[in-house]
Amino acid sequence: EPEVTQTPSHQVTQMGQEVILRCVPISNHLYFYWYRQILGQKVEFLVSFYNNEISEKSEIFDDQFSVERPDGSNFTLKIRSTKLEDSAMYFCASSETGFIGTSNYGYTFGSGTRLTVV
Amino acid sequence: KQEVTQIPAALSVPEGENLVLNCSFTDSAIYNLQWFRQDPGKGLTSLLLIQSSQREQTSGRLNASLDKSSGRSTLYIAASQPGDSATYLCAVETSYDKVIFGPGTSLSVIP
Repeated sequence: EPEVTQTPSHQVTQMGQEVILRCVPISNHLYFYWYRQILGQKVEFLVSFYNNEISEKSEIFDDQFSVERPDGSNFTLKIRSTKLEDSAMYFCASSETGFIGTSNYGYTFGSGTRLTVV
Repeated sequence: KQEVTQIPAALSVPEGENLVLNCSFTDSAIYNLQWFRQDPGKGLTSLLLIQSSQREQTSGRLNASLDKSSGRSTLYIAASQPGDSATYLCAVETSYDKVIFGPGTSLSVIP
C-alpha cells in the first residue's frame, strides 16, 4: 500500500536554528498538508498546498514557517528560527483529490518527525 | 468555528467486549469524517472514512456511523482485542481545505 514517507523520524535542534522537515507524498496525490501535535495535545492543522502554492494556512503558520515542493516529489516544511514551543511531532499528509466534496479516500499521513528544540 | 470533541477521553475494557467511541462536531457543514488510530509516539493510521452523504462505513470489526445533522459520529469496535489499545481520533474535513481533529479517546483493552 502506498505510504507517505517522512524524514528524519527525530530531529534535535538548538533554539534559533533553521530546520527542514522532509516528506515524500504518495506519487499520484496532488494535495499536501502539514499538521503538528504538541505532546499531549490535539493534532493541529498548519498548512495545505496545491498546485505549487499554499491554499490554506492556520494562525500557527506564521512568517517563521514556509513550505516548498522543490523537485516534484519532496514536500518540505522549513522553520527559520526555531523556538522551544516549536517542539512537537510534525505530520505530513497527502490526498489524491483534495477535499471539496471529491475526496474519496481521505488523507494519508506519514509517521511523523519528532522535533525537539533545546 | 468548528470544534470537535470526543467522549470518553479514556476507556479501559476487558478483552472481548464491544465498545463505542463518540465524536461530536459543532458545524454540520462537513465534507467527510475520518477515524484514525494513533499508537504512542507514532503516526496516524486511517481506519475509516465516511463521506458526508453516507451514514456508515465498515471495515472488519470496526463500524463508523455519521449523523451529520446532529453533529455526531460513533466508532463501534466489536470483540475488542489487546492489540486495539491505542488512541482513536476523529477528524472532520471542513470547508476551509483542512481537517479539524478531536482530542482523541485513549483505549486500553485488558487481556
